[in-house]
Amino acid sequence: DTGVSQDPRHKITKRGQNVTFRCDPISEHNRLYWYRQTLGQGPEFLTYFQNEAQLEKSRLLSDRFSAERPKGSFSTLEIQRTEQGDSAMYLCASSLASQGSNYGYTFGSGTRLTVV
Amino acid sequence: AQSVTQLGSHVSVSEGALVLLRCNYSSSVPPYLFWYVQYPNQGLQLLLKYTSAATLVKGINGFEAEFKKSETSFHLTKPSAHMSDAAEYFCAVKNTGNQFYFGTGTSLTVIP
Repeated sequence: DTGVSQDPRHKITKRGQNVTFRCDPISEHNRLYWYRQTLGQGPEFLTYFQNEAQLEKSRLLSDRFSAERPKGSFSTLEIQRTEQGDSAMYLCASSLASQGSNYGYTFGSGTRLTVV
Repeated sequence: AQSVTQLGSHVSVSEGALVLLRCNYSSSVPPYLFWYVQYPNQGLQLLLKYTSAATLVKGINGFEAEFKKSETSFHLTKPSAHMSDAAEYFCAVKNTGNQFYFGTGTSLTVIP
């Protein structure tokens, strides 16, 4: 297994357009997380899934954001009507629920979104 | 509420010198503490974690961190800096939930 994969690595879009990112977690990991990292800041939690169920969402996840994990494997994060403030690195991570809270996640390399 | 504070957004050290990156945490319960490293345009890589088994934690690439409850600190150290250590370092705290709370990061520059 090659770890957590994210696609695309970079995305430039015009303000108002919709964008979708994909994350493929480590195959046996049943938990998947999305974080957002703006320039000069640490990552901030957006949402997480256990299998196909979305169990927690941050208030940072506005109505324009939607995340899915339809078959409990890969996940997509869609941003509708993008705004310049959405420009950030979007990070995906995965873990095994059985590992417990004292375990770190495996992060992907991220998708860098630039809204122009 | 969980949070971490990283003192110093930028740290510069000479190659071969001691690296010290500071992190203080705020937690109402004994926390799980982590250090991650991020190289340019890359994701986060786990360096080490504190889970109450031992106060001095050794990680990858020669890094270690000491948990000091009395000081609510979890500073990251490395005895001798290498050029390849230049990166962004994030301290993070996690309780029994599923969220990491990251600090704002410290950018480490290693001067040859």
